[in-house]
Amino acid sequence: QVQLQESGPGLVKPSGTLSLTCAVSGGSISSNSWWTWVRQPPGKGLEWIGEISHSGVTNYNPSLKSRVTISGDKSQNEFSLKLSSVTAADTAVYYCASRSVGAPPGTSGFSWGQGSLVTVSS
Amino acid sequence: DIQMTQSPSTLSASVGDRVTITCRASQSISSWLAWYQQKPGKAPKLLIYKASSLESGVPSRFSGSGSGTEFTLTITNLQPDDFATYYCQQYNNYWTFGQGTKVEIK
Repeated sequence: QVQLQESGPGLVKPSGTLSLTCAVSGGSISSNSWWTWVRQPPGKGLEWIGEISHSGVTNYNPSLKSRVTISGDKSQNEFSLKLSSVTAADTAVYYCASRSVGAPPGTSGFSWGQGSLVTVSS
Repeated sequence: DIQMTQSPSTLSASVGDRVTITCRASQSISSWLAWYQQKPGKAPKLLIYKASSLESGVPSRFSGSGSGTEFTLTITNLQPDDFATYYCQQYNNYWTFGQGTKVEIK
């Protein structure tokens, strides 16, 4: 399994843009995998935000689609999340995760980062 | 969109008990279902993938079953470390999570 590590500002002002990066180690974002962002508001459940494939195809949660951009940087072996026009409702722990499509038999292919708390407040 | 309905939302149990959590998908997801354990302040930990495959390093008291739209997670001989919140996740079409089941000490 690859290792994932989120980084980015922990505080974002309302109406601003939330930006997070996920560094990938132990593997390449060019491998046959989906690179994903998930969030979890305090005390609530998990919400899928969206994903990007190794070839750059993106899919987004319809409820967030108008505000989300996920991109990949092969030179840095990382992928990123941008969420615009944020409000207090976007305060959450943001996780990057991945699933290898061609995981070897007996392995799940899933990996998760440790999570990054982002608070939206003035 | 595929909706995942998990039940119960809370479960009270004692050490040594056998507990079962159910997850229902709004349409068939074949066996593309995972189960996670999450403790406060921690990332979700994968327990089961492909409905019934045990993730490496996970104790064998955890097991999963089901296919199509009905799935279960069973924990036999519940241990103190197992009191946590559990989530199901479909990955047949993007990802969707159940609402979570909190396993509490009785």
